[in-house]
Amino acid sequence: GAVVSQHPSRVICKSGTSVKIECRSLDFQATTMFWYRQFPKKSLMLMATSNEGSKATYEQGVEKDKFLINHASLTLSTLTVTSAHPEDSSFYICSARPGGGDTEAFFGQGTRLTVV
Amino acid sequence: DAKTTQPPSMDCAEGRAANLPCNHSTISGNEYVYWYRQIHSQGPQYIIHGLKNNETNEMASLIITEDRKSSTLILPHATLRDTAVYYCIVRGNSGNTPLVFGKGTRLSVIA
Repeated sequence: GAVVSQHPSRVICKSGTSVKIECRSLDFQATTMFWYRQFPKKSLMLMATSNEGSKATYEQGVEKDKFLINHASLTLSTLTVTSAHPEDSSFYICSARPGGGDTEAFFGQGTRLTVV
Repeated sequence: DAKTTQPPSMDCAEGRAANLPCNHSTISGNEYVYWYRQIHSQGPQYIIHGLKNNETNEMASLIITEDRKSSTLILPHATLRDTAVYYCIVRGNSGNTPLVFGKGTRLSVIA
């Protein structure tokens, strides 16, 4: 199947700093990618839809100034957690779909962010 | 997208078939049923999807009732590595609609 790669897989940062997470589609182009967040023992929660060449669409309650999304190419989307706080500690996962219609989506391996 | 209802947890003996149910009574005509699973601390893994016909692949079978209001994912010979949270998701096929995850079923395969 298609491959979506995230980097880094784990990151620890200090409060107040910013962290960038990369999501790449390795063998297909993706005009749209999706970012999710998952807290322990909870389900995945959609944060935003990343659109190549245009602004991301954020879900209700997700601060766009805190979670900056850039989708500069057809194979790369980045999520930057700005001014991170301990409550931002979570598992962040990206997803992309090779085509439209009923094509299945593929997920990255996730990024475990710990803010200390 | 229509909502889905799944039991929170299930157990299955290793080597036996695991049958995971999902109710999606408000599904509309152009919505597909997708199944994904998530093993601890990993990204979700695609399993199978279907519209109205039963589907089978190397991982599992998907049985969709004739009225499409429910479905069952079947893992024919469960192994310990199948222990995971299984998500049943209903999604339309228009554009780039995201997958919206419910709570899923935590399947424990027991030796």
